[in-house]
Amino acid sequence: AQKVTQAQTEISVVEKEDVTLDCVYETRDTTYYLFWYKQPPSGELVFLIRRNSFDEQNEISGRYSWNFQKSTSSFNFTITASQVVDSAVYFCALSEGSKAAGNKLTFGGGTRVLVKP
Amino acid sequence: DARVTQTPRHKVTEMGQEVTMRCQPILGHNTVFWYRQTMMQGLELLAYFRNRAPLDDSGMPKDRFSAEMPDATLATLKIQPSEPRDSAVYFCASGLVIGAGATEAFFGQGTRLTVV
Repeated sequence: AQKVTQAQTEISVVEKEDVTLDCVYETRDTTYYLFWYKQPPSGELVFLIRRNSFDEQNEISGRYSWNFQKSTSSFNFTITASQVVDSAVYFCALSEGSKAAGNKLTFGGGTRVLVKP
Repeated sequence: DARVTQTPRHKVTEMGQEVTMRCQPILGHNTVFWYRQTMMQGLELLAYFRNRAPLDDSGMPKDRFSAEMPDATLATLKIQPSEPRDSAVYFCASGLVIGAGATEAFFGQGTRLTVV
């Protein structure tokens, strides 16, 4: 069964500090997909990134970067030079690629990030 | 700008009443998910469909919840009768799955349900 764990429930930082969100996943499939979503105070879930299990290359998008390590089953997310607008709940999610799994999306519990001015 | 549309955005109803939530997935997407979000349980998968056929609804209380896709442009989630513990935000999401590959799921803005 697939499982996603986000051990940090809440992180508070001062603007311009870097913040790293941890995500650990469990799966028996060799093909799977990892995602990060952002949920700002307005409530909608915004897609940030998707990573395939066969592509361990790290990715950077502006102030956001992601570190995927299959050896530790982790897919961590770093916000560099945080801003107040980054305040939100961030969810890590996993989708297994096997036919049995049906590509359903399983979410972690989320990490609330509070960026103070 | 393609997006998932959910209606209503907010619903307040009395215990025992029927509630119907609607979702219009993104055109061309073949997979539709229904999630429920509460403070205590987080994001729970209730049901999902592939090419309009239900794939898994094990997360849904069968006695009162039902999910359907009458056509490719409409997914519905019904609660009958509703109970106060059903109060939550219900999200619909759609995505495209081809073979073993999966795209990201795009979420609607959610329906905030309050049962009093």
